[in-house]
Amino acid sequence: AQSVTQPDIHITVSEGASLELRCNYSYGATPYLFWYVQSPGQGLQLLLKYFSGDTLVQGIKGFEAEFKRSQSSFNLRKPSVHWSDAAEYFCAVGAPNTGNQFYFGTGTSLTVIP
Amino acid sequence: DTAVSQTPKYLVTQMGNDKSIKCEQNLGHDTMYWYKQDSKKFLKIMFSYNNKELIINETVPNRFSPKSPDKAHLNLHINSLELGDSAVYFCASSFTRYEQYFGPGTRLTVT
Repeated sequence: AQSVTQPDIHITVSEGASLELRCNYSYGATPYLFWYVQSPGQGLQLLLKYFSGDTLVQGIKGFEAEFKRSQSSFNLRKPSVHWSDAAEYFCAVGAPNTGNQFYFGTGTSLTVIP
Repeated sequence: DTAVSQTPKYLVTQMGNDKSIKCEQNLGHDTMYWYKQDSKKFLKIMFSYNNKELIINETVPNRFSPKSPDKAHLNLHINSLELGDSAVYFCASSFTRYEQYFGPGTRLTVT
């Protein structure tokens, strides 16, 4: 069965520091992978996506993610975090052969210290 | 030029009442979804419609009934509301097999 694991429930980083949020997935075929960000009281905004091709994908707001098939991972990175990046981050696997059903991880809450 | 909109944003009601949440998308997508986000932020898909046809129907109580009058709209009707229905409900839309775009959410509080 498809599943997504985000091992870190909560991460705290200092402003200007680098960030890596972990995501591991379980899926029988080549997955479609996504990262979304949810600011307090808001909906989910798509940060980036991976369908195929180059395993390093660039997204909005200076984020990038790398797909590693051998590790079943799709970790999100940012070289220098800004205070406005404080939010909840969700990794998701898309299962196109099941009606495009998305499986979301449980989220990682990011706190940024000034 | 809102892409995916939901109404209302907040909904406070008493147990036993019936309520509806409306969703509209102007992105021309062919698939729409309803998700429930609980207090721990866990997101769970409830329903999905493709071209007005129900394609995903997860295990949710029969009190929840989606209706899609056309490709751009997917409404969620909830009968006999219970305390456990309190959550944030998100509508989303996509082209089949592509990324989903989410609405701002409807915070439902059942008292």
